Amino acid sequence: DSGVTQTPKHLITATGQRVTLRCSPRSGDLSVYWYQQSLDQGLQFLIQYYNGEERAKGNILERFSAQQFPDLHSELNLSSLELGDSALYFCASSRGTSGSSYEQYFGPGTRLTVT
Amino acid sequence: AQRVTQPEKLLSVFKGAPVELKCNYSYSGSPELFWYVQYSRQRLQLLLRHISRESIKGFTADLNKGETSFHLKKPFAQEEDSAMYYCAPQGGAQKLVFGQGTRLTINP
Repeated sequence: DSGVTQTPKHLITATGQRVTLRCSPRSGDLSVYWYQQSLDQGLQFLIQYYNGEERAKGNILERFSAQQFPDLHSELNLSSLELGDSALYFCASSRGTSGSSYEQYFGPGTRLTVT
Repeated sequence: AQRVTQPEKLLSVFKGAPVELKCNYSYSGSPELFWYVQYSRQRLQLLLRHISRESIKGFTADLNKGETSFHLKKPFAQEEDSAMYYCAPQGGAQKLVFGQGTRLTINP
């Protein structure tokens, strides 16, 4: 077990709604990454936080936002949901942002279904 | 633009046969390259990284900078190797850029 936890496992909601996905990194990891996995787009990097600060942004929509809290857990907020937002959302964590801390450990994912 | 191409979405080989999963990348700078694997009902996990030059579960991957390829190979496939495999360069800010993945099926 990599130690990264994500809640909830599954989420079903309607279009136009707002949801929050939560991620707890491995103990001692300071970086958190969010990825979206969909059938048509594959696995895409969304955003990275390091010790509470945003470090990198990928293909993240303006309707989506994230934050990392002082206890290092992170939340991904998805608003004005559309059918196309249905996907598996992964969180990963790593020790830091350089050197030998490259390896990312993934959580089990949250499956979001927008109806 | 950063791009990773795994040309085979599906690959099926018989147990004991050699297997090669192809990966070509287009990436500025000198990314570190990884292969991640996702077994059925399990989370993504690191299989190997080029910098360590390790052999994990019998798999190896050779980085060819001239061809910008990082193909994953195993001389004798096992049934437990059936999984989804992702090639991923890691560059600035440590973000991983994943390929579309190759679903490997090992037939008995």
